[in-house]
Amino acid sequence: SNSVKQTGQITVSEGASVTMNCTYTSTGYPTLFWYVEYPSKPLQLLQRETMENSKNFGGGNIKDKNSPIVKYSVQVSDSAVYYCLPCRYGGATNKLIFGTGTLLAVQP
Amino acid sequence: GAGVSQSPSNKVTEKGKDVELRCDPISGHTALYWYRQSLGQGLEFLIYFQGNSAPDKSGLPSDRFSAERTGGSVSTLTIQRTQQEDSAVYLCASSRTDGGEQFFGPGTRLTVL
Repeated sequence: SNSVKQTGQITVSEGASVTMNCTYTSTGYPTLFWYVEYPSKPLQLLQRETMENSKNFGGGNIKDKNSPIVKYSVQVSDSAVYYCLPCRYGGATNKLIFGTGTLLAVQP
Repeated sequence: GAGVSQSPSNKVTEKGKDVELRCDPISGHTALYWYRQSLGQGLEFLIYFQGNSAPDKSGLPSDRFSAERTGGSVSTLTIQRTQQEDSAVYLCASSRTDGGEQFFGPGTRLTVL
């Protein structure tokens, strides 16, 4: 089962702000990557966020943490599928699990 | 090259045939990743290489799937005795270091009839 969960689809009007969730469980402190897949284009990096150290998470494991991304004043051109990927450095020795993806549809 | 390239871009094959998919990563990138994207599914991790070594092959769906990487560069994903459920877009990505930003290729769309 996929342990990285994302909202399936969000439909908004142009100019709205959108929050896309990414809920995951991890051992250690991952870097959270967001990738975007525009129609007929290769996936590309949108954002990278390095998680803070253990004092903020109370230990070595993170369970069901939500690290959303927010897009403000979206445009039709922002319509795409957004994937999150929690990844530990050196953690590619474990399976890399992308989130299920959020399809963002921005209507004019 | 300027980016990750994959070939062929499209492949149609008959059930039971073997196929080879090729990935040329960005020069100097030590890590290389293969994913599968099926219709209506997300990105399924298959395998990753650090240099020429694949530390974890457990993501490969069955023993019909294999991959190799030579010279720390080009990688080939081979699917033997293809089945219809193998139909998908196969994506390759590379990164400068293990766990770094991944740069994706355009993918190979495989259709098994």
